[in-house]
Amino acid sequence: QSVLTQPPSVSAAPGQKVTISCSGSSSNIGKNYVSWYQQLPGTAPKFLIYDNDKRPSGIPDRFSASKSGTSATLGITGLQTGDEADYYCGTWDSSLSAVVFGGGTKLTVL
Amino acid sequence: QVQLVQSGAEVKKPGASVKVSCKTSGYTFTSYGITWVRQAPGQGLEWMGWISIYNDNTNYAQKFRGRVTMTTDSSTSTAYMELRSLTSDDTAVYYCARYPGNYPDYWGQGTLVTVSS
Repeated sequence: QSVLTQPPSVSAAPGQKVTISCSGSSSNIGKNYVSWYQQLPGTAPKFLIYDNDKRPSGIPDRFSASKSGTSATLGITGLQTGDEADYYCGTWDSSLSAVVFGGGTKLTVL
Repeated sequence: QVQLVQSGAEVKKPGASVKVSCKTSGYTFTSYGITWVRQAPGQGLEWMGWISIYNDNTNYAQKFRGRVTMTTDSSTSTAYMELRSLTSDDTAVYYCARYPGNYPDYWGQGTLVTVSS
């Protein structure tokens, strides 16, 4: 049982847009920055977003994110088959004094 | 470029210990922490803890306290994670990642640890 809640799966057609939600509480998302990771099949996670909505260099602007209250959202536009992956949100939990992750969301590009 | 290269796969018997290494390059080793995250087969990410390279302070997840030790060697820019008293539940891919303080950013390729009798 993950501290952060994500939908197990989402799907959309190539070229379309998809959003992935991440729900937490006042001790984690509510007071700390959120990051997002992409894990392609059989590979290590790759960080996509940090500090709620910032993209590291090299991450295309098709990827965006936001935070509101105790929830965060990752958006991907112009979907490509290469975007098929598991996506994880993560943040610091001030009550647990630990990094916590969502359970992951599998994106299928139909 | 920033790189973290981990040691190879391990097979261990229940009750044994495993020590995974993580050799870094492409950045100033002492300017960032190192965090360890594991992923059991078909499961999500589980944070194990982190170590400050600056002062060797550690913060271990409650679940692993007493069973895990994270260390570093600044002379070789390498971090280590040792997990003791292994059980089959510890079968997982173990990742090291650079840790600026808010989030893991660059990740190693992962090390599969299999615990089996």
